Amino acid sequence: AQSVTQLGSHVSVSEGALVLLRCNYSSSVPPYLFWYVQYPNQGLQLLLKYTTGATLVKGINGFEAEFKKSETSFHLTKPSAHMSDAAEYFCAVSETSSASKIIFGSGTRLSIRP
Amino acid sequence: NAGVTQTPKFQVLKTGQSMTLQCAQDMNHEYMSWYRQDPGMGLRLIHYSVGAGITDQGEVPNGYNVSRSTTEDFPLRLLSAAPSQTSVYFCASSITPSSYNSPLHFGNGTRLTVT
Repeated sequence: AQSVTQLGSHVSVSEGALVLLRCNYSSSVPPYLFWYVQYPNQGLQLLLKYTTGATLVKGINGFEAEFKKSETSFHLTKPSAHMSDAAEYFCAVSETSSASKIIFGSGTRLSIRP
Repeated sequence: NAGVTQTPKFQVLKTGQSMTLQCAQDMNHEYMSWYRQDPGMGLRLIHYSVGAGITDQGEVPNGYNVSRSTTEDFPLRLLSAAPSQTSVYFCASSITPSSYNSPLHFGNGTRLTVT
């Protein structure tokens, strides 16, 4: 069965600094990988996804993630943090053989210092 | 276009009571699912459905029932509420059962407290 591990339940960076949120996955077959963002008192919104093809995926709001099969990782990055990026971020995985079941990680809360 | 609508927004139950959390979508999505969100545990899949008349279990199905009689609605039933079911519940839908084709659209959640 697939699973996701997000390292660090809380990450704090200064405005303008690099954002790096870590995600490692476990899957017995090629995975589909996702990053979702949750703003306070809202549901989740898709940031970006990897299915096939290019391993560097660009998403909304300047975020990108790179699929590294050898490291079973899908870390989320943004070169320069903005105050509006403060939110909770979830990595998720589904397996190509069972694409209907999407499993989420435990989430990372991102805080931005002025 | 309302998207995914969850009702109620808040609910307090006593142990042993039953209730149904409602979820409706107006996007003609085939796929619908229920998650619960607990601090430090992220979102855990309870049940999902790939179309009317079809449901399946997720990671934490015990204590919950679902049915999918129409494409639009996917209610979640708690038959005998327990304090361990205190959580925020999210309903989500997408265009196709093969979720990689389309993102999940989430409702705004139902905050349930069981005393």
